Amino acid sequence: GENVEQHPSTLSVQEGDSAVIKCTYSDSASNYFPWYKQELGKRPQLIIDIRSNVGEKKDQRIAVTLNKTAKHFSLHITETQPEDSAVYFCAASKGGGFKTIFGAGTRLFVKA
Amino acid sequence: NAGVTQTPKFRVLKTGQSMTLLCAQDMNHEYMYWYRQDPGMGLRLIHYSVGEGTTAKGEVPDGYNVSRLKKQNFLLGLESAAPSQTSVYFCASRLTGEKLFFGSGTQLSVL
Repeated sequence: GENVEQHPSTLSVQEGDSAVIKCTYSDSASNYFPWYKQELGKRPQLIIDIRSNVGEKKDQRIAVTLNKTAKHFSLHITETQPEDSAVYFCAASKGGGFKTIFGAGTRLFVKA
Repeated sequence: NAGVTQTPKFRVLKTGQSMTLLCAQDMNHEYMYWYRQDPGMGLRLIHYSVGEGTTAKGEVPDGYNVSRLKKQNFLLGLESAAPSQTSVYFCASRLTGEKLFFGSGTQLSVL
């Protein structure tokens, strides 16, 4: 079945530095790749997503890139701030499919 | 518009007890999901439903049952709770688009 691997499991950066989280997926039919942010004790919330017909998408300080050939996608956060500290999940799903499969999560610490 | 509401928020069970977690959404979403979240393992899909009266198994369905008698509600049942079911449970829903809307979670401890 579909599998999504996410690295690293923990990431610590200095405020103002960039952070990169990487994911790989197994099902080549996957075509939708969302990223969710979960703050401590809160519910996961969508922060950005990308579809397979697009190679890169940006929204202010966050961006996502997709390499369909290699079946991996990445989240880039620039100019990190303490409020970026959270757990980030990547996920994958297929168009017309019903399931969204998540990676194991990355705990990001931004040190002030 | 409350979004996705889960009850209860916290529960402690003894091994062998049963309970039902309720998920309710007021967004007229077709698809509803139950995930469990464990440290280092992300969000794993337990069961899901693509419409009223339908249910399907996810990645980790064993030990759980679900029902979707009404479009707005998705119930997750534990018939005989085990310590391995200690987890945080999240319900989620979506329309035909892929964005998931999550509930606030249920912290379940099985002693």
